[in-house]
Amino acid sequence: DTGVSQDPRHKITKRGQNVTFRCDPISEHNRLYWYRQTLGQGPEFLTYFQNEAQLEKSRLLSDRFSAERPKGSFSTLEIQRTEQGDSAMYLCASSLLGRGRNYGYTFGSGTRLTVV
Amino acid sequence: RKEVEQDPGPFNVPEGATVAFNCTYSNSASQSFFWYRQDCRKEPKLLMSVYSSGNEDGRFTAQLNRASQYISLLIRDSKLSDSATYLCAVNMYTDKLIFGTGTRLQVFP
Repeated sequence: DTGVSQDPRHKITKRGQNVTFRCDPISEHNRLYWYRQTLGQGPEFLTYFQNEAQLEKSRLLSDRFSAERPKGSFSTLEIQRTEQGDSAMYLCASSLLGRGRNYGYTFGSGTRLTVV
Repeated sequence: RKEVEQDPGPFNVPEGATVAFNCTYSNSASQSFFWYRQDCRKEPKLLMSVYSSGNEDGRFTAQLNRASQYISLLIRDSKLSDSATYLCAVNMYTDKLIFGTGTRLQVFP
């Protein structure tokens, strides 16, 4: 399977705990994105990387959230001291940006987080 | 004004009908436009890119109107399997995509 893979698919955690999600992008894609989606809403941008460099972070991303992409391959998204408002689907996507043209994203299946 | 706006619907149409969705965007300098399809509790899947000259893929036609800052998606001869949420996505100021809230389509027999 050469798509974007995310792990775990589901995570239930108690409020105040830390959680970490992993994303493995399509290998030839140079960009990796994290989005969050809640019911009835479109995906909301969180952050993105080009290779290992984090190029942009949304203001939605409080200091409890951190993302890394060591060596420009897989990425992790960590949420510290989770709150009930963090419950959402966390989507990872990758894309190939070439010659300034955006070819669109391929999304992973997402990690559904429930904070109880 | 939201950066990307869509009518949330739902649009309830019979099989065989033609249905069109619009999506407006706020940044006149945006360059990349896409339509995605999302099934319930699944990830969005790229349906079509939207080019200045328009884009057609079978029963689906996407168009861009730069002057009025909107993109459209036309679905002809709707099938039951077209029932889903259709998300538009536009790049804003940088290469990241901003998504609309999605338009729900329900095709009934």
